[in-house]
Amino acid sequence: DAGITQSPRHKVTETGTPVTLRCHQTENHRYMYWYRQDPGHGLRLIHYSYGVKDTDKGEVSDGYSVSRSKTEDFLLTLESATSSQTSVYFCASSTGGVGDTQYFGPGTRLTVL
Amino acid sequence: KQEVTQIPAALSVPEGENLVLNCSFTDSAIYNLQWFRQDPGKGLTSLLLIQSSQREQTSGRLNASLDKSSGRSTLYIAASQPGDSATYLCAVRQGNSGYALNFGKGTSLLVTP
Repeated sequence: DAGITQSPRHKVTETGTPVTLRCHQTENHRYMYWYRQDPGHGLRLIHYSYGVKDTDKGEVSDGYSVSRSKTEDFLLTLESATSSQTSVYFCASSTGGVGDTQYFGPGTRLTVL
Repeated sequence: KQEVTQIPAALSVPEGENLVLNCSFTDSAIYNLQWFRQDPGKGLTSLLLIQSSQREQTSGRLNASLDKSSGRSTLYIAASQPGDSATYLCAVRQGNSGYALNFGKGTSLLVTP
């Protein structure tokens, strides 16, 4: 499996505070993704990146921003956390193109009180 | 908008049974379809990837088929074991959103000894 790590693995925060989640990959993959997983919804795309400094929105991007200053790192920021953003967040990466496999990190469980 | 549906949502079988998990999707213009396994509290592990030009893929006791024109895929698990207990996720990849995946909500499988 691709070497993808996420930090922190667990976080509890208060409503209104900013939160940053980090994803780090060692495979030199061009594409990186942030998903959230909620009961009854499955995994949904928040943002994705197709290269350094190249990012775009996914299905559920409101309240989130991302940055990618290096190939290996993709940061997800909750600008002002809300209880509706309590979720499990997964990062993924891939080489890009139509035939490749997407590899996932272990997830970050975020609770917003 | 692509919709991915997995049936059944939950399944309980005795050890040794052969079983079939179903996945359907509404837009047949996909690049590939991937099956994942997710254990409780864990990340996603890729099981099989079927390219749009392929009909099936096999790995050990797992066989996945794809009928792109009818928007269906099945995951066949032979001689099920208690260690197969997990949630199985189906995801399709299209050309938009940086080749991100559209996920079904999963089938929760319990194999009893």
